[in-house]
Amino acid sequence: DQQVKQNSPSLSVQEGRISILNCDYTNSMFDYFLWYKKYPAEGPTFLISISSIKDKNEDGRFTVFLNKSAKHLSLHIVPSQPGDSAVYFCAASVIQGAQKLVFGQGTRLTINP
Amino acid sequence: DAGVTQSPTHLIKTRGQHVTLRCSPISGHKSVSWYQQVLGQGPQFIFQYYEKEERGRGNFPDRFSARQFPNYSSELNVNALLLGDSALYLCASSSPGQGIIEQYFGPGTRLTVT
Repeated sequence: DQQVKQNSPSLSVQEGRISILNCDYTNSMFDYFLWYKKYPAEGPTFLISISSIKDKNEDGRFTVFLNKSAKHLSLHIVPSQPGDSAVYFCAASVIQGAQKLVFGQGTRLTINP
Repeated sequence: DAGVTQSPTHLIKTRGQHVTLRCSPISGHKSVSWYQQVLGQGPQFIFQYYEKEERGRGNFPDRFSARQFPNYSSELNVNALLLGDSALYLCASSSPGQGIIEQYFGPGTRLTVT
């Protein structure tokens, strides 16, 4: 059972425009959400996170939105830059206990010049 | 500050063999987690260790085991290797006791089983 889903395997965006990556989850116990970026042959790099008590968190060009009623989160990148081309994973966790991260399948973002 | 380090970078083993992967967390982080990533999928949780005790285990067979040492480094051991164990093995460190819930990943060990 896929508890965290990224339904778009790939996304292509023009440089300077907004990139929006989406993620859905099914487990209402999740209370912490994270986005990671991954380049080939490297480990995932932490980008931004959000607690379930918030609905928005912003860090520079990156903003994460959380809609708990819809069990949906999204990552906005504005403006998109060529270096943003990578695979993006959303992950969910429960703060108490083992804090294991449950990852989505990833979305490959390509920024076109 | 050094990030999470893992060794070796790449490894080729034969079916039935045993492998040990190593991880050093970020200085000051007391928790290490292990993940397996196969091509085209997100990482899958294998283990979490915190203060040298196992805090969680994913849906992996008993052939997978791990431990954490007093200096918070960790080893992941896999016995009786199968072809399906070929994957990127990722180690992540965090420090939940200090409110650092985010997990920071190392570069991974690419294991190929032939």
